Amino acid sequence: DGGITQSPKYLFRKEGQNVTLSCEQNLNHDAMYWYRQDPGQGLRLIYYSQIVNDFQKGDIAEGYSVSREKKESFPLTVTSAQKNPTAFYLCASSLDRGQPQHFGDGTRLSIL
Amino acid sequence: GIQVEQSPPDLILQEGANSTLRCNFSDSVNNLQWFHQNPWGQLINLFYIPSGTKQNGRLSATTVATERYSLLYISSSQTTDSGVYFCAVDNTGFQKLVFGTGTRLLVSP
Repeated sequence: DGGITQSPKYLFRKEGQNVTLSCEQNLNHDAMYWYRQDPGQGLRLIYYSQIVNDFQKGDIAEGYSVSREKKESFPLTVTSAQKNPTAFYLCASSLDRGQPQHFGDGTRLSIL
Repeated sequence: GIQVEQSPPDLILQEGANSTLRCNFSDSVNNLQWFHQNPWGQLINLFYIPSGTKQNGRLSATTVATERYSLLYISSSQTTDSGVYFCAVDNTGFQKLVFGTGTRLLVSP
């Protein structure tokens, strides 16, 4: 089945530790996105990538990093510089600009 | 940046009732999407509707771009319609979606 796969579903991070969230899509979509959702809030854009080997900062990029080495993969690293990383992280993709975004099932990140 | 406001923030319905959710935005948009987030956090794309009217079963949506609002209609609501409904817009042309804070819907049997 075509879709967007995020892993793991739940992730725990110790203070001072970097963690990487996986996002893979087999929809042959060019564009991919990372969003953060805090309880009771809407989603906020962290990073986005329109094509392979290119990505741009969204509204809340500080403390996060991404790579786009392959069309189907867009991993997000939450670094130790992100002081409040506990949140629900959602990855999305779209065929290209002007097309609707479709979302993965998300990863819940918590601090130990 | 563009502002997105959704109303009402909370809505409780009896099964079978109809409802209208509203999304106001502060600038012209290239893209507008309606999403349903279920209790498990899954975000489902309902409509891609920067302008005009679309229908999908019991759901329909209308966007009046010149007046900067969109409406989502839910008819004959079911308990499975419960969850949070988000409106999201982009005015950059790069699909940088800005989300509203959502309408939380509870449909009781």
